[in-house]
Amino acid sequence: QKEVEQNSGPLSVPEGAIASLNCTYSDRGSQSFFWYRQYSGKSPELIMFIYSNGDKEDGRFTAQLNKASQYVSLLIRDSQPSDSATYLCAVNMDSNYQLIWGAGTKLIIKP
Amino acid sequence: EPEVTQTPSHQVTQMGQEVILRCVPISNHLYFYWYRQILGQKVEFLVSFYNNEISEKSEIFDDQFSVERPDGSNFTLKIRSTKLEDSAMYFCASSDAGGNTEAFFGQGTRLTVV
Repeated sequence: QKEVEQNSGPLSVPEGAIASLNCTYSDRGSQSFFWYRQYSGKSPELIMFIYSNGDKEDGRFTAQLNKASQYVSLLIRDSQPSDSATYLCAVNMDSNYQLIWGAGTKLIIKP
Repeated sequence: EPEVTQTPSHQVTQMGQEVILRCVPISNHLYFYWYRQILGQKVEFLVSFYNNEISEKSEIFDDQFSVERPDGSNFTLKIRSTKLEDSAMYFCASSDAGGNTEAFFGQGTRLTVV
């Protein structure tokens, strides 16, 4: 069974702090990893993707991938109230097209 | 900025009726997808479409579902005989390459089957 697991939260972080979101996946052969942000009632919005082990930075966001541990994370620096949303981890496993999704972590940034 | 557009934003239909959900992918994209999200649950893959044919489909995508690219711009999802459990948000997405590249989502169609 192909699974992507996330802590559902909510994760509460003070404004200006670093928010750390985690995701684990079941298939060791997974190739690509995506973080989407979803506001309530809206569609998923791509934040970052990562393919290789290590860190990838884009502005206030850093994705971290550890394939040996089957673990991917998203760090949000200088958290803003507008970052409050559900963050979805999606993984491309042995498929060319299909993404397997986690249930999402609800993030709340407190002013 | 190019975007994926979906119509309608909300569709209410009676059980047993046919519905067609419409999508206009980003113009230079070649791969198209339908996902659904039942309220409070995970996003689920339904189908991917490339080169005018289905490239992959999930167990959810049974004979009640079909997809079509009737012209150069539209991509549709048809549900032949809707069931109550088909009520969900349906998202269309497109990408310029296969699954290892990022897919961009439309704003979704909320389907309510009564």
